[in-house]
Amino acid sequence: EEQLAESGGGLVQPGGSLRLSCAASGFSFNTYSMNWVRQAPGKGLEWVSYISNSGSETYHADSVKGRFTISRDNAKNSLYLDMNSLRAEDTAIYYCTRGSECDSWGQGTMVTVSS
Amino acid sequence: SVLTQPPSASGTPGQRVTISCSGGSSNIGTNTVNWFQQVPGTAPKLLMYIDSQRPSGVPDRFSGSRSGTSASLAVSGLQSEDEADYYCAAWDASLKGWVFGGGTKLTVL
Repeated sequence: EEQLAESGGGLVQPGGSLRLSCAASGFSFNTYSMNWVRQAPGKGLEWVSYISNSGSETYHADSVKGRFTISRDNAKNSLYLDMNSLRAEDTAIYYCTRGSECDSWGQGTMVTVSS
Repeated sequence: SVLTQPPSASGTPGQRVTISCSGGSSNIGTNTVNWFQQVPGTAPKLLMYIDSQRPSGVPDRFSGSRSGTSASLAVSGLQSEDEADYYCAAWDASLKGWVFGGGTKLTVL
């Protein structure tokens, strides 16, 4: 059974940095594109970043462009999100999702940006 | 949100309820729609993909369709366990990213 497990969330001050990780298991990680999707407290879902299966193609939402970077290590079955210049509005649960249909989701990791 | 959904919908057990999702030519007008179900406090779950395909385990009470720049999710034979938030999503060719609807809270009365 496929599984995704996010980690790396926590409390960070405005302007700070954080690296989120997503460990994949139970499927051929290198054959799937991946995404990060976030959900602010009490709000809806917001797509953050996309990466192709090889890592050669990446896209980011305008709200995080220039501050966040998605990457992957297929040898380690891992997905990453490097977050810099964090703002209060980045406070959210961050989920990694599998494929173009987002057919599998992790349990999420909470990021809180506050002084 | 780029995609527009009604904030709420409701029905009694056994009824049929429909949730709409309206977009534009660069998203729903060009690409297929996925639907997600989220029970409060849990991660979202894929409910429908490529407009009308159900993943394994999703009851056939759920159905989806897409026409022009709109899509809809129908739930027939409503059950209490269907009470959740529902989100539509599509790839937007202009934004080069996924766009979501704002979500619809379905209440079973």
